[in-house]
Amino acid sequence: RKEVEQDPGPFNVPEGATVAFNCTYSNSASQSFFWYRQDCRKEPKLLMSVYSSGNEDGRFTAQLNRASQYISLLIRDSKLSDSATYLCVVNRDNTDKLIFGTGTRLQVFP
Amino acid sequence: GAVVSQHPSRVICKSGTSVKIECRSLDFQATTMFWYRQFPKQSLMLMATSNEGSKATYEQGVEKDKFLINHASLTLSTLTVTSAHPEDSSFYICSAATSGALTDTQYFGPGTRLTVL
Repeated sequence: RKEVEQDPGPFNVPEGATVAFNCTYSNSASQSFFWYRQDCRKEPKLLMSVYSSGNEDGRFTAQLNRASQYISLLIRDSKLSDSATYLCVVNRDNTDKLIFGTGTRLQVFP
Repeated sequence: GAVVSQHPSRVICKSGTSVKIECRSLDFQATTMFWYRQFPKQSLMLMATSNEGSKATYEQGVEKDKFLINHASLTLSTLTVTSAHPEDSSFYICSAATSGALTDTQYFGPGTRLTVL
């Protein structure tokens, strides 16, 4: 089983749509959770950290369910510029080492 | 946010040659730097963790004699791919953090695309 699993997509959605991505992780000792976005042939960029209580940053909302080892990202009012691959990332055990999922590709069309 | 640079951004080399990739933190001191590799359509895979002034820690399956890492200062880490072969062709990305704390953000470099002919 992969340490971090994501649906690869692609998710093709029109501008203005709401889209949700899910992620599961296998290591119950993980303490830090993130969503990164990666554009084609570029480095990943931190989108947001994910906290136990859930958190929101503008159009983006992240949720964490530790019991189910499940993380989600909701994007509201999708923009063309949101088109990218979204990477679910957790730390390994109680270390600073990050484990990346393979990503979910989002394509927003006009 | 903090800036991390990598050089070169792209390199094409012949099989059997060695390639050095530099990772620099431009506006902060990075106690810890990480090296990742990403093959097409795959996730980033951590190769090694380097701390300034000490030997790098390699992940399982990564040959330390093939991927030499030097973290000589708080702003510079280098990865040397020795005797590169076509299967080493990949996107190599470094990240830097100010400490080894769990809450410390990792800042990623723009990556180096290596093609071995």
